[in-house]
Amino acid sequence: GEQVEQLPSILRVQERSSASINCTYENSASNYFPWYKQEPGENPKLIIDIRSNMERKQIQGLIVLLDKKAKRFSLHITDTQPADSAMYFCAASAKGGRALIFGTGTTVSVSP
Amino acid sequence: DPKIIQKPKYLVAVTGSEKILICEQYLGHNAMYWYRQSAKKPLEFMFSYSYQKLMDNQTASSRFQPQSSKKNHLDLQITALKPDDSATYFCASSHRDRGNSDYTFGSGTRLLVI
Repeated sequence: GEQVEQLPSILRVQERSSASINCTYENSASNYFPWYKQEPGENPKLIIDIRSNMERKQIQGLIVLLDKKAKRFSLHITDTQPADSAMYFCAASAKGGRALIFGTGTTVSVSP
Repeated sequence: DPKIIQKPKYLVAVTGSEKILICEQYLGHNAMYWYRQSAKKPLEFMFSYSYQKLMDNQTASSRFQPQSSKKNHLDLQITALKPDDSATYFCASSHRDRGNSDYTFGSGTRLLVI
């Protein structure tokens, strides 16, 4: 099946620095790229998304970049806080606009 | 109020037994999905249904059978349970005509097979 690669698997940063997560996808027909945050014991929740007609999107301290030629997209968390510590998943829409296929996740740990 | 209800929240099962995981959504969505999350494979896509019809099946094993009795229900029947089936199973739903931007997860069923 389709795959979404996500790196790194673990990311440790100091408070107030930036954290970056990178994902690549296979299907050139993918057109929707969301990012989910999952706290321990909770379900994944959407934090930001981008569609293929955009290259950049920002919501407060979250920035998403999309490079369709390289089939690559990334999440940048600026001015990180301990509350940003969680698991983050990227995803891409499967062909035909059906189910989201998720990356393998990145555990982000922000230390004071 | 939870908009996607998954029952039970926790489930312990004996190897070889059969269990049904329940999922109901009250978001007016027309597509529902099942995912499995374990330490080995985070958020692994299993099935998708739209208008009560199977759209996609990424699960190799026939021991996993989705069941949709109503358009807002998608249960998951698992037969001949194995310890390797231990995982958290998440149900999700979306409105296919809105480009997946309203993709929402339930709170999950944590299954332990002993």
